[in-house]
Amino acid sequence: EAGVAQSPRYKIIEKRQSVAFWCNPISGHATLYWYQQILGQGPKLLIQFQNNGVVDDSQLPKDRFSAERLKGVDSTLKIQPAKLEDSAVYLCASRESYEQYFGPGTRLTVT
Amino acid sequence: AQSVAQPEDQVNVAEGNPLTVKCTYSVSGNPYLFWYVQYPNRGLQFLLKYITGDNLVKGSYGFEAEFNKSQTSFHLKKPSALVSDSALYFCAVRDTNDYKLSFGAGTTVTVRA
Repeated sequence: EAGVAQSPRYKIIEKRQSVAFWCNPISGHATLYWYQQILGQGPKLLIQFQNNGVVDDSQLPKDRFSAERLKGVDSTLKIQPAKLEDSAVYLCASRESYEQYFGPGTRLTVT
Repeated sequence: AQSVAQPEDQVNVAEGNPLTVKCTYSVSGNPYLFWYVQYPNRGLQFLLKYITGDNLVKGSYGFEAEFNKSQTSFHLKKPSALVSDSALYFCAVRDTNDYKLSFGAGTTVTVRA
C-alpha cells in the first residue's frame, strides 16, 4: 500500500513570495489533514477535510493560508504572502480508522 | 480543550537498558491516545494506540505503552533499547467526540552504544 505522498520535499522562498504544497493521501482515505510543525514543537493542525469539505480550519491563518481538496483526493496548501515565521515543516496526513498516516512533509524555509 | 504534556525534552539511555518516555494528557471525555515516532527528515510513523480495553498496549518495534486513567498518563516503554530507537517521539490525544489530534512537544530519545 502506497503511503501519503507530498511534494516538494524542500522549498526555500523569500518573504512576501507565495508557495504551494501538494499532498496525495492513501487511496480510499476520506479524511485529510494539514499540519504545521515548527522546529522544537509538535505538529499543529491547520485544516481538516472530510472528502472535499472542510471540517475544521479554526487554526488556519486565513489571511495568508488557503487549502483545497477539489475532488476529494489530492489537496494543495498555499501560503501567500509568506512570512519569516512560516518557516516550518508542513505535514499532510490521512485517516481511515483511528490512526492518522503521515507523509514525509515539506520543509519550508522563508528568508 | 484537550492537551498533552511530555515533561522530558530529552531521554538518554544505554543500549540494552529499559526506555521510558513519559506522557500525561487532559481531555473532557474518554481519551484516545497515540504514540508516533519521527526520524530525521521523515514524517511521523504510528507506533501504537489506546482506544479501549487492556491498559497495556503493544505496538511496533517492541514498544508498549501503559494507560493509567487515575494518573492520566500514557507512558511509552521498551524493555531493551536499541541505538536505532534514537528519534523524536510524540504523544497525541483526541477526545472521543473529536477527530482532532493534539500533540505534545516531543521527546528526543538518544540511545548510546
